[in-house]
Amino acid sequence: GAVVSQHPSWVICKSGTSVKIECRSLDFQATTMFWYRQFPKQSLMLMATSNEGSKATYEQGVEKDKFLINHASLTLSTLTVTSAHPEDSSFYICSALALLTGDNQPQHFGDGTRLSIL
Amino acid sequence: DAKTTQPNSMESNEEEPVHLPCNHSTISGTDYIHWYRQLPSQGPEYVIHGLTSNVNNRMASLAIAEDRKSSTLILHRATLRDAAVYYCILRGGSQGNLIFGKGTKLSVKP
Repeated sequence: GAVVSQHPSWVICKSGTSVKIECRSLDFQATTMFWYRQFPKQSLMLMATSNEGSKATYEQGVEKDKFLINHASLTLSTLTVTSAHPEDSSFYICSALALLTGDNQPQHFGDGTRLSIL
Repeated sequence: DAKTTQPNSMESNEEEPVHLPCNHSTISGTDYIHWYRQLPSQGPEYVIHGLTSNVNNRMASLAIAEDRKSSTLILHRATLRDAAVYYCILRGGSQGNLIFGKGTKLSVKP
């Protein structure tokens, strides 16, 4: 159980293109979803936290107008990288927190999206 | 979030137990200790978590020191598929985010 699906798994596109990444919780409802970015040989860095039906909370240094997050339902969050440039090339990973209470529930991660901007 | 300290890398032989240490001397009373692992080119995978008592599940065991300032993730019989980066993370509250450090890169030799 607790499967998170992320799509697409990889994408290559030209500079200036906008790219949308989907994150779905397949067998549970997620109150909160998180978006991370990971550069080669580095750890995951949290970009933003999104709660269903409300605006995302962005970490310091993350441009909210460039990385648009929509969390329209309890099973879907999307991250859109607008006007992507080569420096946005990275591994983007989402995670979801189940609609459960108590005992510090674990996060469930998608398999990531490798974004390459030419 | 309180900080954790882990060795950068460890090596193990296949089918032997592995003990991955984590120090968290500034842990607060409400912080849970979470362990995740990340295989190459994949998202992290939840391994185990605990608060005060030792915990066991099908993947691993978590031994927590009595003063909670350190913990050890135990893989009872390492396999080649256990080669990954293991992250020890403190998390407070039920909605808290995860702050990833550098983790321990575990190599498993056949």
